[in-house]
Amino acid sequence: DIQMTQSPSSLSASVGDRVTITCQASQDINTYLNWYQQKPGKAPKLLIYDASNLESGVPSRFSGGGSGTDFTFTISSLQPEDLATYYCQQYDTLPVTFGGGTKVEIK
Amino acid sequence: QVQLMESGGGVVQPGRSLRLSCAASRFPFTTYGMHWVRQAPGKGLEWVAFISNDGSNKFYADSVKGRFTISRDHSKNTLYLQMNSLRTDDTAVYYCAKDLNPLTPYYFDNWGQGTLVTVSS
Repeated sequence: DIQMTQSPSSLSASVGDRVTITCQASQDINTYLNWYQQKPGKAPKLLIYDASNLESGVPSRFSGGGSGTDFTFTISSLQPEDLATYYCQQYDTLPVTFGGGTKVEIK
Repeated sequence: QVQLMESGGGVVQPGRSLRLSCAASRFPFTTYGMHWVRQAPGKGLEWVAFISNDGSNKFYADSVKGRFTISRDHSKNTLYLQMNSLRTDDTAVYYCAKDLNPLTPYYFDNWGQGTLVTVSS
């Protein structure tokens, strides 16, 4: 199975800060990576697909990049409503696997 | 607006069975692959199973292979997860999710609200 390692596991930042999360795959997955946001008590929501494509309706402060084994997810200006846990997910090889999640808190 | 509504969760003893349902609406159900994804209390997301749009391809996580069966009924626009030989570590919120692709996993573009399964004696 492809292991997806996210870091950090949690972070605390102020409104307006730039936040970056990394996701590392245990083997090359090209750009077959997606990012999700899960707010407390809610289902996950797709934000980014194919490493860097913004899902329709998602604010432009969210972005993604990378290829191969190393990926980044960035919130350019953190907003109070961004309080959530963020997950990466690979679909290069079955089984589909998720990263362990990054919990983003607001200072 | 795509709607996915899970049902069938509850408390069940280890070794027993349970069937989850996911009623789909407001999109052409026969066109897309569908998944089950679970989340144990306080833990991350774990993919469970995928079924292609026509039901011909089914894939499972090793943790549930041989115990769980994914299926779909196009006459009822409903996705199912038959869970047998349940174990305490199957305790989780189970989400159904729609895929963009018909035949193989790609990304989960819509999710249900989840149904809680608790396996306990």
